[in-house]
Amino acid sequence: QLQLDESGPGRMKPSETLSLTCSVSGGSISSSSYYWGWIRQPPGKGLEWIGSVYYTGTTHYNPSLQSRVTISKDTSKNQFSLRLRSVTAADTAVYYCARPNSMIGYAFDVWGHGTMVTVSS
Amino acid sequence: EIVLTQSPGTLSLSPGEAATLSCRASQSISYMYLSWYQQKPGQAPRLLIHGASSRATGIPDRFSGSGSGTDFTLTISRLEPEDFALYYCQHYGDTHPWTFGQGTKVEIK
Repeated sequence: QLQLDESGPGRMKPSETLSLTCSVSGGSISSSSYYWGWIRQPPGKGLEWIGSVYYTGTTHYNPSLQSRVTISKDTSKNQFSLRLRSVTAADTAVYYCARPNSMIGYAFDVWGHGTMVTVSS
Repeated sequence: EIVLTQSPGTLSLSPGEAATLSCRASQSISYMYLSWYQQKPGQAPRLLIHGASSRATGIPDRFSGSGSGTDFTLTISRLEPEDFALYYCQHYGDTHPWTFGQGTKVEIK
């Protein structure tokens, strides 16, 4: 069964670069028909799609974050990653990695448990 | 960008009652690219419905989705205690960005 597991710094300071990794087990990120994506949720607020990377390496980003975000994948480690530059307190959120499954129209059918990132000086 | 507006913000109901949640899109979207998720406190969202009306694997048949164009509905036919949670609709597919509605909370009356 496919499982996703996020890892990250927990706390960081404004202006730093956030780096998160999603480790995939029970399946290969090289499998065709799948994107791999990141979603975040500020405390007490709703869900925000950050972006996704296709198995080919093609990426799509939320325009609101596009200037600061990079999503990449490492097939040798079966992982994909998020980098968010110049963070501020507004980037404080639970960050989820998830699989948009093109076989069901890109609905997110598998999610990680989420990792909390707090940006504070 | 397609904006999804969910209503009501909060739905106060008793176990056994039916719940009807609405998701309205700012422009017409393909039914293929509308999903519903359930989220409980401290947990990741769980896919309930994809393609507007197809239940995800393992989802009970008391959950059903419908709609087309700009208006979509999630119906819970008979609320169980474990159904009191937050519900989000989402647009995805070939058009980016993918967006979520702001959520509807189903609470115990």
